[in-house]
Amino acid sequence: AQKITQTQPGMFVQEKEAVTLDCTYDTSDQSYGLFWYKQPSSGEMIFLIYQGSYDEQNATEGRYSLNFQKARKSANLVISASQLGDSAMYFCAIHGYGKLTFGQGTILTVHP
Amino acid sequence: GAVVSQHPSRVICKSGTSVKIECRSLDFQATTMFWYRQFPKKSLMLMATSNEGSKATYEQGVEKDKFLINHASLTLSTLTVTSAHPEDSSFYICSAHKDHPGETQYFGPGTRLLVL
Repeated sequence: AQKITQTQPGMFVQEKEAVTLDCTYDTSDQSYGLFWYKQPSSGEMIFLIYQGSYDEQNATEGRYSLNFQKARKSANLVISASQLGDSAMYFCAIHGYGKLTFGQGTILTVHP
Repeated sequence: GAVVSQHPSRVICKSGTSVKIECRSLDFQATTMFWYRQFPKKSLMLMATSNEGSKATYEQGVEKDKFLINHASLTLSTLTVTSAHPEDSSFYICSAHKDHPGETQYFGPGTRLLVL
C-alpha cells in the first residue's frame, strides 16, 4: 500500500517570496515516482514536476523545484518568486501498483 | 505535454437519469485511462482504471454497475453514471499517461455533475 501525507491544509505567501509545500510518503516499492500537480479553481489538474526514486538530483522545472529526501521519505515542493497566479490547490502524488495515490492537498494563497 | 479533453464540462440532470462523460486523448494513444472523483476542497479518489479492449478495474467500494466504463478505442474512454442520484453529484476527472505506466499522467479539465 502507498500513502501520501500533506500536513499543511493552507499556506500563505507574499508575492515574489519563496514557499515550501510539504509532502511525505510511505511505500514498500523500491522503484516509484513522485509528482506534484496544481489545481486552480477551474478544476484542471496541471502537472508541475516529477521525481523518480532513483534520481540522484533534485528535479527542477522553472520556478518549481522538488526537495527530495529519500531517507526521510519526503518530497517537498519549493516555489520560488511566487506569483498571484500560483494561488491554487497543490497535490503531491506517488505512482505505484499501476496508479497514482494523492495527498490531501494544500491550498496556497499568494498575497500581493 | 499531452492533451486530454473531457465532455461535457458541466451537466445538470434529473434524479434517475443516466449521464455519459467522455474522455479523449487528443495527441496520443492511451491504452489505459483513469477516472477520479473529487469532492470540493478534497483529494482525488481513484474510481477505476479503464483498459482499452478489456474490462475496467474498479477500486474497492466503487459500484461497477453504477459507474459503467467503456474504453472502446485508444483515444476514448467513457464513464456512464447510471440512474444518477443527488449523492452522485461531484467533480469527475479523467487522466491518461502517454507511454508507460509510471509516466506522467495528464488530466482532462473535469466534468461537474449536478443531480437534482
